[in-house]
Amino acid sequence: RKEVEQDPGPFNVPEGATVAFNCTYSNSASQSFFWYRQDCRKEPKLLMSVYSSGNEDGRFTAQLNRASQYISLLIRDSKLSDSATYLCVVKTYQAGTALIFGKGTTLSVSS
Amino acid sequence: GAGVSQSPSNKVTEKGKDVELRCDPISGHTALYWYRQRLGQGLEFLIYFQGNSAPDKSGLPSDRFSAERTGESVSTLTIQRTQQEDSAVYLCASSLGGVQETQYFGPGTRLLVL
Repeated sequence: RKEVEQDPGPFNVPEGATVAFNCTYSNSASQSFFWYRQDCRKEPKLLMSVYSSGNEDGRFTAQLNRASQYISLLIRDSKLSDSATYLCVVKTYQAGTALIFGKGTTLSVSS
Repeated sequence: GAGVSQSPSNKVTEKGKDVELRCDPISGHTALYWYRQRLGQGLEFLIYFQGNSAPDKSGLPSDRFSAERTGESVSTLTIQRTQQEDSAVYLCASSLGGVQETQYFGPGTRLLVL
């Protein structure tokens, strides 16, 4: 089983749509969770951290379910500029392990 | 302020040659990471430096790969006897090293091995 799994998509949605991405992780000892965004041929950039109680940043809402080892990202009122690949990222503090990235979910927002 | 910088931005080399990639982290960041991203694939962890601690080399794919970091400054990733499967974007990231620290990525070095 892969450490971090995501539906690769692509998700093709019209402007204004609400879209949700899901992610599962295999290591129950994982302690930190993030969503990163990666534009084509660019480096990943942090979109938001994911907290146990869930958190919201504008149109973006992240949820964490530790029991199910499941993370989600909800984007409301999609914009053309949201088109990118969204990377689910997990960190487990064992032997200094770095971030474990999912392969990403591609979102394409069209007018 | 300045972000993470990497050089060169692009590198084309012949199979069997050695290459050296450089990363300049954000000043004051104690943690530095190297990742590899093959075309259409996710990021693959290679190596992690935290302050003066021994680096976590668990992600290095073979003994042809090595990395060094002097103190909390520049890091170099060296690939010896390059193979075509080494072709990828090599990304460096740095962070303050805290529990929920944000990793800031450099623009990457695109390596093509012919």
